[in-house]
Amino acid sequence: QQQVKQSPQSLIVQKGGIPIINCAYENTAFDYFPWYQQFPGKGPALLIAIRPDVSEKKEGRFTISFNKSAKQFSLHIMDSQPGDSATYFCAASWNSNYQLIWGAGTKLIIKP
Amino acid sequence: ETGVTQSPTHLIKTRGQQVTLRCSSQSGHNTVSWYQQALGQGPQFIFQYYREEENGRGNFPPRFSGLQFPNYSSELNVNALELDDSALYLCASSLGGGLEQFFGPGTRLTVL
Repeated sequence: QQQVKQSPQSLIVQKGGIPIINCAYENTAFDYFPWYQQFPGKGPALLIAIRPDVSEKKEGRFTISFNKSAKQFSLHIMDSQPGDSATYFCAASWNSNYQLIWGAGTKLIIKP
Repeated sequence: ETGVTQSPTHLIKTRGQQVTLRCSSQSGHNTVSWYQQALGQGPQFIFQYYREEENGRGNFPPRFSGLQFPNYSSELNVNALELDDSALYLCASSLGGGLEQFFGPGTRLTVL
């Protein structure tokens, strides 16, 4: 019940396309859902996060869609660029806690 | 504003040895969390320190221990190293045990 399941494991998209990465969870107590971007040899960097009281949040080219009833959330990257090639992680936590539960990651490659 | 820094960058130890990893939190942050990231996986929460006290612990044995100092920097100590301890160890800082966590570049530990 503590797991966050992320898919796909890897994704290849042409430049300008819209990669979509999906995550699903079971624990209905989760109320904070961040996405992190990690480049090789670097620590994860917070991209965008959402709370379950909204269904969508946009920050620049990154959009989170959230479906509370399905217990799913996804990351969309608009106008993707080769520089977006990285591993993306979804995570979840709950307000009374500090512990992030992470998905397994998606390795994204944007082809020029 | 100084980001999260970690030392050393890389470390090679042999089974049974002990290791100490160090982390300096981002300026103004009083909370440090430690994560273990095995190759190709998402990070796993080890523990968090808030104002020099352990503020929660993940599913790691007691041979994983930590400290936080008055300047909010932190150490992760691992005793009796095992081969499976080989991983990237990430430190993240936040304010007041908050959910928005900012990560350092990590320490790559190899146990032979």
